[in-house]
Amino acid sequence: ETGVTQSPTHLIKTRGQQVTLRCSSQSGHNTVSWYQQALGQGPQFIFQYYREEENGRGNFPPRFSGLQFPNYSSELNVNALELDDSALYLCASSLPQTVTYGYTFGSGTRLTVV
Amino acid sequence: AQKVTQAQTEISVVEKEDVTLDCVYETRDTTYYLFWYKQPPSGELVFLIRRNSFDEQNEISGRYSWNFQKSTSSFNFTITASQVVDSAVYFCALSEANRNTNAGKSTFGDGTTLTVKP
Repeated sequence: ETGVTQSPTHLIKTRGQQVTLRCSSQSGHNTVSWYQQALGQGPQFIFQYYREEENGRGNFPPRFSGLQFPNYSSELNVNALELDDSALYLCASSLPQTVTYGYTFGSGTRLTVV
Repeated sequence: AQKVTQAQTEISVVEKEDVTLDCVYETRDTTYYLFWYKQPPSGELVFLIRRNSFDEQNEISGRYSWNFQKSTSSFNFTITASQVVDSAVYFCALSEANRNTNAGKSTFGDGTTLTVKP
């Protein structure tokens, strides 16, 4: 097992642009959740994917979208970037029984929107 | 709506002291899950413990212990004989039950920054 890998680690984008963040999960982890963490705050749930389908969504606008692929990788896409989108974006994956094993988090992508 | 409150923003202790991190939650669900995570400076959250709403048994794991009290909606975390390596931000989280994945949408507190001085 190699853990959860997120790329890139840092990213600077301009307001109005689009961005794609990537996450590579451990084999067998068919559940992935994405979080936005602003400085000094707890992570905010964006959405969860299970077997390549969205399985719950937080209070984020539709310009936040995601994909999960059969090879246990996933993407978070954000369109029309706003300054407030600047944050650490965390990906967390789990085996199907999330309450038994808990989530494994990646180190995150630090997105700065200027 | 779910809510998690970690009233202690920052705690500073001297090594070997015991420290308790408080967590109070709000939910209307009868089935839910509670978690504690540790976030070191590197950024990734490390899973520490989970409890489901039907299991109020306290748990001890080495120097760590957790006290879940449904009557007061609290899930407190105690570190005994703290060490410098325990310095980190600690998050309490509440998850909805989900028929596909057990724990679905999660709500995190804003975290408690623990500093353990030598």
